[in-house]
Amino acid sequence: AQKVTQAQTEISVVEKEDVTLDCVYETRDTTYYLFWYKQPPSGELVFLIRRNSFDEQNEISGRYSWNFQKSTSSFNFTITASQVVDSAVYFCALSEDKGGSEKLVFGKGTKLTVNP
Amino acid sequence: KAGVTQTPRYLIKTRGQQVTLSCSPISGHRSVSWYQQTPGQGLQFLFEYFSETQRNKGNFPGRFSGRQFSNSRSEMNVSTLELGDSALYLCASSWGQGYGSPLHFGNGTRLTVT
Repeated sequence: AQKVTQAQTEISVVEKEDVTLDCVYETRDTTYYLFWYKQPPSGELVFLIRRNSFDEQNEISGRYSWNFQKSTSSFNFTITASQVVDSAVYFCALSEDKGGSEKLVFGKGTKLTVNP
Repeated sequence: KAGVTQTPRYLIKTRGQQVTLSCSPISGHRSVSWYQQTPGQGLQFLFEYFSETQRNKGNFPGRFSGRQFSNSRSEMNVSTLELGDSALYLCASSWGQGYGSPLHFGNGTRLTVT
C-alpha cells in the first residue's frame, strides 16, 4: 500500500539557517509521482514541485532544492537561508497510476517555524 | 486568473444536520477533488470528479457524497453530521490529465459540528 512518512512533526529554526524536511515513501509501483506542497496559515495548499519516478535528477529553484533518491525511497526538501515567510506546514505526497486517478496520498506534514 | 473558490469559508452545524459545500475550479479545469483535513488523520482523500463522473472515491462512509456539474463546479454533501466530521474540507482542481497532475487547492471550508 502507498504510504508517505514525514517523521519531523515540527521544526524551528532561526532566519538564514538552512533546513531540510524529510520525506520517505512506500509504493509497489515502478511508476509514480512525488509532490511537495506548502500550507500557509491561510489554509490553501500551494504546489511546489512534482517529480516523476523515472527522473532522479535533483532540482533547485531559488532557495529551494529537492533531493530524490529511489534507493532509499526518499524525496527530501531543503530550504537554504530560510526566511520568516517560509513558515508554514509542508506536505509530501505520492500519486500512483491507478486508473488515471489524480488521488494524492499525503504525509502528516512538517510544521516549519522560522524565527527572526 | 482566479484560483479555486470554496464557499462558505466557515460553517457551524449541529449534530444530525446535513451540509453542502461548494467548489468552483480554476477556469478550464475539468477535474475536481475533495480532501478532509483533521489534526489527527491529516489530509485524507474523499473523492474525485472528472467531466461529471466520479473517477475515484476514498474510504469514507456513504454519508459523504459529491457531484460535479457540467461547468465543472462541484459540491460535496455530508448528511447526518457527527462531531468527528469537524474538519477543514479542501477542494482542488486540475486540467484532468490523470495521475501526476499538479492539483491547485482552494482555501477550504472549515466545518465545525457541535
